[in-house]
Amino acid sequence: DTGVSQNPRHKITKRGQNVTFRCDPISEHNRLYWYRQTLGQGPEFLTYFQNEAQLEKSRLLSDRFSAERPKGSFSTLEIQRTEQGDSAMYLCASSRWRTGTRTGELFFGEGSRLTVL
Amino acid sequence: AQRVTQPEKLLSVFKGAPVELKCNYSYSGSPELFWYVQYSRQRLQLLLRHISRESIKGFTADLNKGETSFHLKKPFAQEEDSAMYYCAPQWSSGGSNYKLTFGKGTLLTVNP
Repeated sequence: DTGVSQNPRHKITKRGQNVTFRCDPISEHNRLYWYRQTLGQGPEFLTYFQNEAQLEKSRLLSDRFSAERPKGSFSTLEIQRTEQGDSAMYLCASSRWRTGTRTGELFFGEGSRLTVL
Repeated sequence: AQRVTQPEKLLSVFKGAPVELKCNYSYSGSPELFWYVQYSRQRLQLLLRHISRESIKGFTADLNKGETSFHLKKPFAQEEDSAMYYCAPQWSSGGSNYKLTFGKGTLLTVNP
């Protein structure tokens, strides 16, 4: 297993277009997280899944953002009608969670960089 | 309100000097605390967690509940320690859903 995989690594799009990012977690990991990182900031939580269930979504996430994890394996993050403020690095992470524990170690992908012109 | 603060954006030391990266948090409960590191052109990865009370690559971090701090320390910095360091408390915004929250990070440069 090569770890968490994200694609595309870079995406340049025009304002108003839709974009979709994909994340393939480490195979035995049941939790999957999406974070967003802008220049000079730490990663900012967006949403996370346990298996196929989306357990939490940040209040910062507008309705233009939607994430899915069908079948509890890979996940997609779609941004509709992109705006220049959406330009950021989108990070995916996964972890193996067990009942009675909190989150455990997160394993990150290399990220997908979005530039909205 | 829950908050994590890393007061230094940049920290520069010479090789062999001690280094301390500061982290303060504000949380009413008992957080679990982590330090994550990102080396140049590498992905973000776990450095250490407070519950393990371990030393990784010579780094240690002690949770001080009285001062609500979790500073990262190393007695003798090495050039390969140059990286971006993130303090990351794990806490709940309500209920049993815990998530990792990251500080803004401190860029450590160790000069030869």
